[in-house]
Amino acid sequence: ETGVTQSPTHLIKTRGQQVTLRCSSQSGHNTVSWYQQALGQGPQFIFQYYREEENGRGNFPPRFSGLQFPNYSSELNVNALELDDSALYLCASSSPLGGGETQYFGPGTRLLVL
Amino acid sequence: AQSVSQHNHHVILSEAASLELGCNYSYGGTVNLFWYVQYPGQHLQLLLKYFSGDPLVKGIKGFEAEFIKSKFSFNLRKPSVQWSDTAEYFCAVILTTGNQFYFGTGTSLTVIP
Repeated sequence: ETGVTQSPTHLIKTRGQQVTLRCSSQSGHNTVSWYQQALGQGPQFIFQYYREEENGRGNFPPRFSGLQFPNYSSELNVNALELDDSALYLCASSSPLGGGETQYFGPGTRLLVL
Repeated sequence: AQSVSQHNHHVILSEAASLELGCNYSYGGTVNLFWYVQYPGQHLQLLLKYFSGDPLVKGIKGFEAEFIKSKFSFNLRKPSVQWSDTAEYFCAVILTTGNQFYFGTGTSLTVIP
């Protein structure tokens, strides 16, 4: 176990709805990254939060947004859900001593959009 | 374009067979390299990582990987696989100055008892 927890474990939404996914980072880690893993693919970087600020973003539209709280937990919000948003959403925590650090992954939230 | 390639999408082996999974990357800067494993129904777990030093790194459960800088490769090996090694294996790369992992598409390994 990595100490990274995510909730909920599974979620079913319909097209156009909004969803919020939550992540608690490993103790001592102040950085959280979010990834989307579509079926049969490797995880794709969505964005990273460090000390409550966005610290890098992948190729995802603005309807994917996030927050990080003072206790370093984080949320991923997705607005106007589309069918292609169905995927496993992974949260990873790390401690960015200088970049390139190991990331420790949570179990993920599986989102199904109907 | 920056990318991570895993050449084997599906591998089926009998127990005690040797394993080698390929991983190549294309990035211009200095990178750190990782192999993660995802057992059925479980989360991504770190198998091993390379930051610097000896290019042959050893990880958990008898896995090892060799970084060959000239070939931009970081292949995963295990001399004798077990049924419990059945899982999805992902190679990942991160720039030493960066903050995002670039993952390969994964290799599904099935070990037949």
